[in-house]
Amino acid sequence: KAGVTQTPRYLIKTRGQQVTLSCSPISGHRSVSWYQQTPGQGLQFLFEYFSETQRNKGNFPGRFSGRQFSNSRSEMNVSTLELGDSALYLCASSPQAPQETQYFGPGTRLLVL
Amino acid sequence: AQSVAQPEDQVNVAEGNPLTVKCTYSVSGNPYLFWYVQYPNRGLQFLLKYITGDNLVKGSYGFEAEFNKSQTSFHLKKPSALVSDSALYFCAVRGGNSGGYQKVTFGIGTKLQVIP
Repeated sequence: KAGVTQTPRYLIKTRGQQVTLSCSPISGHRSVSWYQQTPGQGLQFLFEYFSETQRNKGNFPGRFSGRQFSNSRSEMNVSTLELGDSALYLCASSPQAPQETQYFGPGTRLLVL
Repeated sequence: AQSVAQPEDQVNVAEGNPLTVKCTYSVSGNPYLFWYVQYPNRGLQFLLKYITGDNLVKGSYGFEAEFNKSQTSFHLKKPSALVSDSALYFCAVRGGNSGGYQKVTFGIGTKLQVIP
């Protein structure tokens, strides 16, 4: 089975712009989660989607949004980018139940100038 | 609110010696506990998990972890460290309350350095 794929892998934007990141989960997986990874902060949970519904949401401002499509692919959007949004954004997929393992993609590295 | 603590930013161990990476957690209900490893410029890879049953869990690459409910700990261990084990290790927890799905909370990560 193909793993979790994320596009693009690298992105450079300027402050005030918006960005959309994409994640394709492992075939058959219905849950997709997004995390922001920065040095010294570890992984911060953004949101979790299951069957096109947001199941959980982290403590990020409303500039961060996401959605999931009927084929389980997911996108996250960040509007009005700030310098502090520079990070590695990781997507993880899992089959369904909460005790199941999450499988991570390689991440999208976003640099905001 | 659930939380995960990895008290050591970095652990240094000589090759061939046993290693321990510490993790303590706080969660309501029964916990689902996970360890992941991240190599440079890579995503996270799953090592092992505790859901229920035997407190000693064995995982990939010779790693194991012991669930201790009274101490709310889930320390990662390996009997003999390899230089190739050098990486960033993350502990994670998800509360297992029935009827709801809690988010997964990750620790800040512990950098393991195995010295030849």
